[in-house]
Amino acid sequence: SYVLTQLPSVSVAPGQTARITCDGNNMASKSVHWYQQRPGRAPVLVVYDNTDRPSGIPERISGSNSGNTATLTISGVEAGDEADYYCQVWDDQYYVFGPGTKVIVL
Amino acid sequence: EAQLVESGGGLVQRGGSLRLSCEASGFTFSRYSFSWVRQAPGKGLEWVSYISGVSGSIYYADSVRGRFTVSRDNAKNSVYLQMDTLRADDTAIYHCARKILGSDAFDIWGQGTVVIVSS
Repeated sequence: SYVLTQLPSVSVAPGQTARITCDGNNMASKSVHWYQQRPGRAPVLVVYDNTDRPSGIPERISGSNSGNTATLTISGVEAGDEADYYCQVWDDQYYVFGPGTKVIVL
Repeated sequence: EAQLVESGGGLVQRGGSLRLSCEASGFTFSRYSFSWVRQAPGKGLEWVSYISGVSGSIYYADSVRGRFTVSRDNAKNSVYLQMDTLRADDTAIYHCARKILGSDAFDIWGQGTVVIVSS
């Protein structure tokens, strides 16, 4: 089965840029989706199909996918960005989530 | 506004059964596919099951195949998850999620319903 790997946590100062990576074999051949989950809340889709943003998601949140790594980038980090972030792909009748990365705003 | 509301969770003994429901509103239910996604306490998201809107396709995670059954009733705008032979490691919040048309991402999520399996 397809496996996604994420770092457990990323720390970033307010106003700086957070980069959250998601590794998988030949990731560039996949469409990668990203979810933000704040404590006690349901997940929220922030990027889909590698680079697209749902309505209401700010432009400072962006995605990319190349080689074996997809990246979610949050520019101008704010306190409200502190959350868990999960990547997700579809692979041969399975939906696969990464283990999640906690973004800590210092 | 598109919305999903889950219900049916609760406390059940190991080996028991539960039936979860997910009621949709605010969009044309029959056009969409749905998944159940669960989250054990302090853990990450785990996909459980999928049911398509048109093709009739149904998929399960290996951890639940043979024990869980997903279904839908378009007349009631609802998706269901019948959970049998429950185990302690099925304890989780169970979310219903709508799949975007033409993508494999999930754009609408319910708040979830809590399932606790006691041993």
